Amino acid sequence: EPEVTQTPSHQVTQMGQEVILRCVPISNHLYFYWYRQILGQKVEFLVSFYNNEISEKSEIFDDQFSVERPDGSNFTLKIRSTKLEDSAMYFCASTSDRGNEQYFGPGTRLTVT
Amino acid sequence: AQSVTQLGSHVSVSEGALVLLRCNYSSSVPPYLFWYVQYPNQGLQLLLKYTSAATLVKGINGFEAEFKKSETSFHLTKPSAHMSDAAEYFCAVSLGGGSYIPTFGRGTSLIVHP
Repeated sequence: EPEVTQTPSHQVTQMGQEVILRCVPISNHLYFYWYRQILGQKVEFLVSFYNNEISEKSEIFDDQFSVERPDGSNFTLKIRSTKLEDSAMYFCASTSDRGNEQYFGPGTRLTVT
Repeated sequence: AQSVTQLGSHVSVSEGALVLLRCNYSSSVPPYLFWYVQYPNQGLQLLLKYTSAATLVKGINGFEAEFKKSETSFHLTKPSAHMSDAAEYFCAVSLGGGSYIPTFGRGTSLIVHP
């Protein structure tokens, strides 16, 4: 069964460093998403991406965040200058159509020290 | 705007007992409602969804949920818990015809005792 994959599973970085989280969505899907979950808190929407551009973003998704689909398979989330409060689990998701089920990856745990 | 409240961060049941995980929603328009499950070290997996068709929705692994508009609830149930049901469960709501981005609840951890 097709699945969304994410790498790395755990990333440790120092405050102020740039990180890139990688996702490979399901191959025939067109809509891509990033969510985050701070430990003990809700899963929060960050951004959605369709047709090579951002379609929606939340207040959390400020200028330090960016997304890219550099090739036909990867979907990346870049955090330019990490802060302690960026420590969280980051989930990627994809779907074939906006109203359909989103398929989630296993997540990347980001720890900023 | 929409929101979801999950009552109880932890629910503990014995194997074979009824599972009831509570979810109440708030939405300005008829909502789409979802239950997701997250097993350790895995992503969120959709259990079931309500999209304005039948109010009683059956999902995978024997779970079902009933949409009750008068109570703004979408509680998740399973008649008989299995050890393998131990996981984190998330209720989510989206606006359906508008933005499909789900708003998640805080999650309920289901603990199943032998």
